[in-house]
Amino acid sequence: DAKTTQPNSMESNEEEPVHLPCNHSTISGTDYIHWYRQLPSQGPEYVIHGLTSNVNNRMASLAIAEDRKSSTLILHRATLRDAAVYYCILRESGNTGKLIFGQGTTLQVKP
Amino acid sequence: NAGVTQTPKFQVLKTGQSMTLQCAQDMNHEYMSWYRQDPGMGLRLIHYSVGAGITDQGEVPNGYNVSRSTTEDFPLRLLSAAPSQTSVYFCASSPRSAGGDTQYFGPGTRLTVL
Repeated sequence: DAKTTQPNSMESNEEEPVHLPCNHSTISGTDYIHWYRQLPSQGPEYVIHGLTSNVNNRMASLAIAEDRKSSTLILHRATLRDAAVYYCILRESGNTGKLIFGQGTTLQVKP
Repeated sequence: NAGVTQTPKFQVLKTGQSMTLQCAQDMNHEYMSWYRQDPGMGLRLIHYSVGAGITDQGEVPNGYNVSRSTTEDFPLRLLSAAPSQTSVYFCASSPRSAGGDTQYFGPGTRLTVL
């Protein structure tokens, strides 16, 4: 199963951009890069995903390196509600479709 | 559209007891899975199902059984509860097992085994 590596924690100031990095050097050609976040005492919620090209949605942007061995989740203006654990996950295509979670990055947002 | 629902929200068991955690989704998703999350840790995959009648093991399947008789339901059975199974359990579903499909998570069941 492909693995990802993320920093344990990061801090940001409110209303500033946040760049959350993720390394996935063993990614295979058919693995999608997913980001989920988990607020305290809640289940994970989907943030964004991509395969090769950069992606934008109302929550965030995903920048994927050309060799796909790393990616960065970008929150354009952090708010206090963005304080959460962010997980970068590779989802296998094909029969299993497993999501294998790592430790994630705990994001603190300071007012 | 309720999404993914889990019952109960909280449960306390004694060692050796058995129970079933319920999970249901109303989105007609083929793919469902169960995770456990221990304090301060990420989620670990217990079992998953790519469709009715098909299940397979994840990272930590020992002590748990699953079955998938309908598309909507994916119950998780603890055969003989142990204190090591104290955890928060999350159920999730996605349209298919495709890499680009989003998973939707339930609110979780907090289980304590004494």
